[in-house]
Amino acid sequence: QQPVQSPQAVILREGEDAVINCSSSKALYSVHWYRQKHGEAPIFLMILLKGGEQKGHDKISASFNEKKQQSSLYLTASQLSYSGTYFCGTEMTTDSWGKLQFGAGTQVVVTP
Amino acid sequence: NAGVTQTPKFQVLKTGQSMTLQCAQDMNHEYMSWYRQDPGMGLRLIHYSVGAGITDQGEVPNGYNVSRSTTEDFPLRLLSAAPSQTSVYFCASSDPRQGLANTEAFFGQGTRLTVV
Repeated sequence: QQPVQSPQAVILREGEDAVINCSSSKALYSVHWYRQKHGEAPIFLMILLKGGEQKGHDKISASFNEKKQQSSLYLTASQLSYSGTYFCGTEMTTDSWGKLQFGAGTQVVVTP
Repeated sequence: NAGVTQTPKFQVLKTGQSMTLQCAQDMNHEYMSWYRQDPGMGLRLIHYSVGAGITDQGEVPNGYNVSRSTTEDFPLRLLSAAPSQTSVYFCASSDPRQGLANTEAFFGQGTRLTVV
């Protein structure tokens, strides 16, 4: 079951903030966040595990609400380099490690 | 380290032709996967492997075969290409058993395939 991302797209001015959400109808073990620029491979941003462990890049923050099976990615003080399509990927259990189910993506455009 | 290397970068096939997309990684990761990416649909899992000799199907396996004879390589074979297989294909590797530091998936640069 693919996770559902919202919004589908967001346009920001440099310096503004945005939140991207990722929801699942099933219990999750992990949520991954990736950013993809046009014509390039997805790049890892963050992983959040059930139980609270997380690992990610310094300038990225995210949360994982285990009760709601929802994760949010926070783009704070956005920069032009934040433009791209953001995907969340989910794993249901440790048995599904490596079998990421991705959402349809959220396109982010940051303008000067 | 090269990371994950995919070849070719671009390919045009005629309907009914077969071909193999190559994927190699040099990070000693046990987990490797193939995804296809179509506009508006994100990445969908085709096949994956948790180690040499072990493969399993993902969400959209029909029309594709895989094998994993070594830890490094995970080729994807299109048996008889169809226009519906026109897509961008990504290979990824990870190894969550090595701890949180290795749970991220490293993606290759992709293969853009057109079937005419």
